[in-house]
Amino acid sequence: LAKTTQPISMDSYEGQEVNITCSHNNIATNDYITWYQQFPSQGPRFIIQGYKTKVTNEVASLFIPADRKSSTLSLPRVSLSDTAVYYCLVGSVDSSYKLIFGSGTRLLVRP
Amino acid sequence: SQTIHQWPATLVQPVGSPLSLECTVEGTSNPNLYWYRQAAGRGLQLLFYSVGIGQISSEVPQNLSASRPQDRQFILSSKKLLLSDSGFYLCAWSGGTLEYGYTFGSGTRLTVV
Repeated sequence: LAKTTQPISMDSYEGQEVNITCSHNNIATNDYITWYQQFPSQGPRFIIQGYKTKVTNEVASLFIPADRKSSTLSLPRVSLSDTAVYYCLVGSVDSSYKLIFGSGTRLLVRP
Repeated sequence: SQTIHQWPATLVQPVGSPLSLECTVEGTSNPNLYWYRQAAGRGLQLLFYSVGIGQISSEVPQNLSASRPQDRQFILSSKKLLLSDSGFYLCAWSGGTLEYGYTFGSGTRLTVV
């Protein structure tokens, strides 16, 4: 399983765009990149997933360069409610896969 | 739609007492099921996962065990709790592929005193 490295914490202000980068140098050919969001005392929630290039949904965008050794989660115009821990995970698509969570990035959005 | 239920929400147990946490999934069949634990201020630690009835894989040797008596039921147990078993326990399911990832339950906050 590919190990991921991401910043421990980030600060931002309401209305700004936030970009959280994750390194996964040992990503395998059939690995996907998935990001989760976790609020205190809640289970993580799926945000976005991608394999290569760019993926966008109603919540965020995920940018993956050609070498796939890193990825960037982009949150447009954050609000106070985006304060949470964000996890980057890498895993394969076979039926017995298991996701290993790192320490995540603690994002604090200030007024 | 699929839903995942986990209970109880909070639990305070004395050291040496037994533990049983239950997780059930509705609206899907043959899910992959997972138990995670999260210590205060820390990331999630994968404890057990199951790809089918009676099939349990343990990730971390410890004081806990898991069972899957039915397709959509996953139970986390301990015969004698330790102080170090305190934490936030989360059950999750997936459809066996990475599309849409995992869906987590609401968690159980366990405090061993």
